[in-house]
Amino acid sequence: AQSVAQPEDQVNVAEGNPLTVKCTYSVSGNPYLFWYVQYPNRGLQFLLKYITGDNLVKGSYGFEAEFNKSQTSFHLKKPSALVSDSALYFCAVRPTSGTYKYIFGTGTRLKVLA
Amino acid sequence: NAGVTQTPKFRVLKTGQSMTLLCAQDMNHEYMYWYRQDPGMGLRLIHYSVGEGTTAKGEVPDGYNVSRLKKQNFLLGLESAAPSQTSVYFCASSYSTQETQYFGPGTRLLVL
Repeated sequence: AQSVAQPEDQVNVAEGNPLTVKCTYSVSGNPYLFWYVQYPNRGLQFLLKYITGDNLVKGSYGFEAEFNKSQTSFHLKKPSALVSDSALYFCAVRPTSGTYKYIFGTGTRLKVLA
Repeated sequence: NAGVTQTPKFRVLKTGQSMTLLCAQDMNHEYMYWYRQDPGMGLRLIHYSVGEGTTAKGEVPDGYNVSRLKKQNFLLGLESAAPSQTSVYFCASSYSTQETQYFGPGTRLLVL
């Protein structure tokens, strides 16, 4: 079965330190990969996506993500965390054949400590 | 340009009651989706539509119906609400399946 895993329910990081939110997937072929962020009582907002090309994708608010095909991972990163980055982060995968459906991970809550 | 809007924002239902959630988008998107979000389970797709007049089942369609009579609107219906349908419901739209999904602000539904 196709799946997306976000192994950490919560990630704590000190303000100013680098952060990583992990995502791995089990989807055949070359899927499209996305990161979304959700602030309290809000809908999901797009951060970045990988379709093809350079393995390092840059997105909104200083975030970037690294695609690793051999490890089927798409980890979200930021060099220097801000308290305002505290939110719920979702990884999503869109298979490129057989379905129009996106598969979302269960989410990782990021807490940036001042 | 309002993006994706959802009505209502919050609703309390008694078991067995019915209601309709409305999603509207003004971006001329072909694809629209309804998700539910439950703690620890991420987003699960209920139904989706690939164009006006078409709908299809997602991952958790039981107990829900949808209609897409106009391109800009996607309605989610609960014919007989159950406590298991207590959740936060999100609508999303996209221009194509390769493109980013844009999400509405959500509807919080409590079924007693």
